Amino acid sequence: QQQVKQSPQSLIVQKGGISIINCAYENTAFDYFPWYQQFPGKGPALLIAIRPDVSEKKEGRFTISFNKSAKQFSLHIMDSQPGDSATYFCAGGSLEDLIFGKGTKLSVKP
Amino acid sequence: DGGITQSPKYLFRKEGQNVTLSCEQNLNHDAMYWYRQDPGQGLRLIYYSQIVNDFQKGDIAEGYSVSREKKESFPLTVTSAQKNPTAFYLCASSPQGRNYGYTFGSGTRLTVV
Repeated sequence: QQQVKQSPQSLIVQKGGISIINCAYENTAFDYFPWYQQFPGKGPALLIAIRPDVSEKKEGRFTISFNKSAKQFSLHIMDSQPGDSATYFCAGGSLEDLIFGKGTKLSVKP
Repeated sequence: DGGITQSPKYLFRKEGQNVTLSCEQNLNHDAMYWYRQDPGQGLRLIYYSQIVNDFQKGDIAEGYSVSREKKESFPLTVTSAQKNPTAFYLCASSPQGRNYGYTFGSGTRLTVV
């Protein structure tokens, strides 16, 4: 049973465009929602994370939008760059669980 | 520099052999995890350990074994009972609970030859 649903599976964006990746969760016990970025052959690295007491968090070109009532959150990458090409994973976490989405492969075309 | 070290980066195994993947952390994290990554399947939890000398099975533990004799180390053995071991294996650690974020290692790619 998948508890964090991530979409799309893959995404192609032109340089300078906005990349948007969406996630939906089921477990209302989740109180931590991180996004990880993974380059080929490397381990995932924490990109940005949010707690459910805020609706938005911005770090540079990366923004998480969080909708607690809809149990949805999304990652927006502004002014996407070829160096952003990677696989992105969302996750939902509680003390007992950290459940990952299946990942989105982002390709930013020059 | 604090972090997680996985070794080796690449590993080749003959069918019927057991192999052990190393994972060492110097972050003073209590919890450690092993994940398997296959194309299009995301990250699947194999085993995790929240304290020394204790560990629990994850979603796909069959054919794998672990030990946690030291806080810093959490080796994974891929046994001959694992029928499809070719994959990318990731070790991670977290300070306490699963909602404080993970630090991942750089992974070990295991190939059965």
